[in-house]
Amino acid sequence: KQEVTQIPAALSVPEGENLVLNCSFTDSAIYNLQWFRQDPGKGLTSLLLIQSSQREQTSGRLNASLDKSSGRSTLYIAASQPGDSATYLCASGSNDYKLSFGAGTTVTVRA
Amino acid sequence: NAGVTQTPKFRILKIGQSMTLQCAQDMNHNYMYWYRQDPGMGLKLIYYSVGAGITDKGEVPNGYNVSRSTTEDFPLRLELAAPSQTSVYFCASSPTGDYGYTFGSGTRLTVV
Repeated sequence: KQEVTQIPAALSVPEGENLVLNCSFTDSAIYNLQWFRQDPGKGLTSLLLIQSSQREQTSGRLNASLDKSSGRSTLYIAASQPGDSATYLCASGSNDYKLSFGAGTTVTVRA
Repeated sequence: NAGVTQTPKFRILKIGQSMTLQCAQDMNHNYMYWYRQDPGMGLKLIYYSVGAGITDKGEVPNGYNVSRSTTEDFPLRLELAAPSQTSVYFCASSPTGDYGYTFGSGTRLTVV
């Protein structure tokens, strides 16, 4: 059974600082790794997807890396803004079309 | 562009009552999912469907039932509500099951 862990559970940074969010998983035989954003009282929004054959994926200020051998993925957010404040969840995808989620990291960007 | 619509947004149930959480999507996605999210925990898969007429259990199916008579709708039924079912429930859909997930805004359920 895949276990996905995100540490820390919360972090607070000043505006402009780069954010580094960590995700670890126990089973390296993943199909893909996905990052989502969740705003309070809202559903999840897909940010990035990394296929198992890829090492990283980029979208604007967001960059996600994947290291299957160590069971880790990292989401980098460059030059953080107050609008980046949210909970970020990672999820590992399996070949039977299911996602296993971490508990998320709640980010606060201070103006 | 409605996406995934969940109703109701909030509900309070008494122990032993039943209810149906509604989920509808207008993107013609084959794959649909029900998750629950408890405080400080990741989303747990309750049930999923890979197409109309096909459903299967996820990680935490006990106390729930689903049906998928159409591509658009995937209702979740709670029978004999228990306090342990107090949670936020999310419905999601995907065109292929491996990417392109769209989530609804959730139903916050409290069982007292």
